[in-house]
Amino acid sequence: EVQLVQSGAEVKKPGESLKISCEGSGDSFTSYWIGWVRQMPGKGLEWMGIIYASDSDTKYSPAFQGQVTLSVDKSISTAYLQWTSLKASDTAMYYCARTYSSSPAPLLHWGQGTLVTVSS
Amino acid sequence: QTVVTQEPAFSVSPGGTVTLTCGLTSGSVSTSNYPSWYQQTPGQAPRTLIYSTHIRSSGVPGRFSGSILGNKAALTITGAQADDESFYYCVLYVGRDISVFGGGTKLTVL
Repeated sequence: EVQLVQSGAEVKKPGESLKISCEGSGDSFTSYWIGWVRQMPGKGLEWMGIIYASDSDTKYSPAFQGQVTLSVDKSISTAYLQWTSLKASDTAMYYCARTYSSSPAPLLHWGQGTLVTVSS
Repeated sequence: QTVVTQEPAFSVSPGGTVTLTCGLTSGSVSTSNYPSWYQQTPGQAPRTLIYSTHIRSSGVPGRFSGSILGNKAALTITGAQADDESFYYCVLYVGRDISVFGGGTKLTVL
């Protein structure tokens, strides 16, 4: 069974950095893409970007380009979403999801989500 | 900028049939957009219902089906049940390895 387990909730101050994780199991991690999805409080799902676990090829939505960094450590089957300087507007639930195949779409398997709260 | 459209809200009677749609502000949706549908109840992670237009995810009841209707992707629920009351999101692949979510549809069963 494919599972994606995300790191726990975070509370940070504006300007701080953060890296959250998404660990995969149950299948060949490097054969798939891992996508990240934002959900701000009371809002819908937003596609942020996607990374190919095999070679770290990364694509970002224009809205998130330059705002976050995706990375992967295939030796431990883990993908990361990183901020260098958080803003209050980064407060949201973040989900990772794995694709169905070696193509960058569609997303099929989901993590449980990581709640990030940014507040002074 | 590519925008994916969904009905903001829909209602259906228990046992009834409802079709939610997913379109593009510029152009038609095709199987090349790999339309996928997700169900989300408040406080829960999204659940994949349908991917690549019509493939039902493991464990998803047969009352959920996906298709292309005209120039849009469609999710049809046949024989709606009370626990189908939820938010439904579609996502479309728009090229260059980028996908875009629709704004979501709040489905009420009453």
